[in-house]
Amino acid sequence: GQNIDQPTEMTATEGAIVQINCTYQTSGFNGLFWYQQHAGEAPTFLSYNVLDGLEEKGRFSSFLSRSKGYSYLLLKELQMKDSASYLCAVKNAAGNKLTFGGGTRVLVKP
Amino acid sequence: GAVVSQHPSRVICKSGTSVKIECRSLDFQATTMFWYRQFPKKSLMLMATSNEGSKATYEQGVEKDKFLINHASLTLSTLTVTSAHPEDSSFYICSARGQGSGGNTIYFGEGSWLTVV
Repeated sequence: GQNIDQPTEMTATEGAIVQINCTYQTSGFNGLFWYQQHAGEAPTFLSYNVLDGLEEKGRFSSFLSRSKGYSYLLLKELQMKDSASYLCAVKNAAGNKLTFGGGTRVLVKP
Repeated sequence: GAVVSQHPSRVICKSGTSVKIECRSLDFQATTMFWYRQFPKKSLMLMATSNEGSKATYEQGVEKDKFLINHASLTLSTLTVTSAHPEDSSFYICSARGQGSGGNTIYFGEGSWLTVV
């Protein structure tokens, strides 16, 4: 089975940095995704990690450690528009299914 | 980049009627599409995996006779909620896996809000 954990909520200040952790325990692993979802909208793709290490894409970075079953999404230079839910999702070994964590609601304050 | 389109974005239907939601991959062929349901402030729950030309694979607890999925072509999958009830009101989202070098990326449609009155 799949078990994916992320914090429920985080609050940060505009311009600051926030790190959202995701731990997973899965029967198979074939990559980890991070998605951003604004209220009432569908998720949008942020990053994909399949190998250990850090992937940087602008203000957003994602890290993966397969041996620890751990990933984080790092948001730098926070902007008000970054207030959203961030979903961690793991792809199964067969690569044909995504399982989502509960999502982390990030609130950016002025 | 790849785009997945859903229609309608919002629909209101009466209890007991059926409603169809379409999911299209606009610039790539998707042999597999996924249907999710999301309750307010909750994460996405996978309902079923839609396979082109074959029967959908439903997750445990999802009624296949109530949520009919058809994947008639490589660019279109449909979800039909039959005999809808107010508890079926939810946000339904489809996704599709890209092909080739984009095969590792899964793209989502815009989602469809269903309200059953």
